[in-house]
Amino acid sequence: DGGITQSPKYLFRKEGQNVTLSCEQNLNHDAMYWYRQDPGQGLRLIYYSQIVNDFQKGDIAEGYSVSREKKESFPLTVTSAQKNPTAFYLCASSRETGPGANVLTFGAGSRLTVL
Amino acid sequence: QKEVEQDPGPLSVPEGAIVSLNCTYSNSAFQYFMWYRQYSRKGPELLMYTYSSGNKEDGRFTAQVDKSSKYISLFIRDSQPSDSATYLCASNSGNTPLVFGKGTRLSVIA
Repeated sequence: DGGITQSPKYLFRKEGQNVTLSCEQNLNHDAMYWYRQDPGQGLRLIYYSQIVNDFQKGDIAEGYSVSREKKESFPLTVTSAQKNPTAFYLCASSRETGPGANVLTFGAGSRLTVL
Repeated sequence: QKEVEQDPGPLSVPEGAIVSLNCTYSNSAFQYFMWYRQYSRKGPELLMYTYSSGNKEDGRFTAQVDKSSKYISLFIRDSQPSDSATYLCASNSGNTPLVFGKGTRLSVIA
């Protein structure tokens, strides 16, 4: 079955530590996205990538970094510069063209808690 | 002003009720409108997808878009306890990332 795999599902981090969240898709989608979800805030875009080796900042990119070395993979690093990193992180992907373009398919999410 | 506004609720209805969920948007260039359903501690899943104005029906669900008033609606008929979830509206112009509302939390009481 095609889909998006996020890992780990739960992650605990001490203040000052960087942490990397994994996102892998086997849908052959060109575009990949990272969203952050906080209670009462909805989904806020962190970074997105429409093609390998290229990515753009979203609305709340400060304190985060990404890479897109392979079409299937779009890892997100939460750095120590992110002031309030405790949140639910969602990875998504979509086609860029053709039927269903712009329709996002989401992973199951990763919950990060800073201790 | 946020580009997509949505009342976060919570909304509580009895089983069998008709549910109306609504969003407004401000960007006239928006052409694509979606509703996602998210169960607790899960990723959102696409429920309805509409291009431009009009209605779209899928079983008990109807999505409605009125571009003249920039209003997006989702109707759920004969609501079931399994419909209890957070519903997120989203929109874009087609070449920009989706913009999401804050989501409305719905509880259907048996």
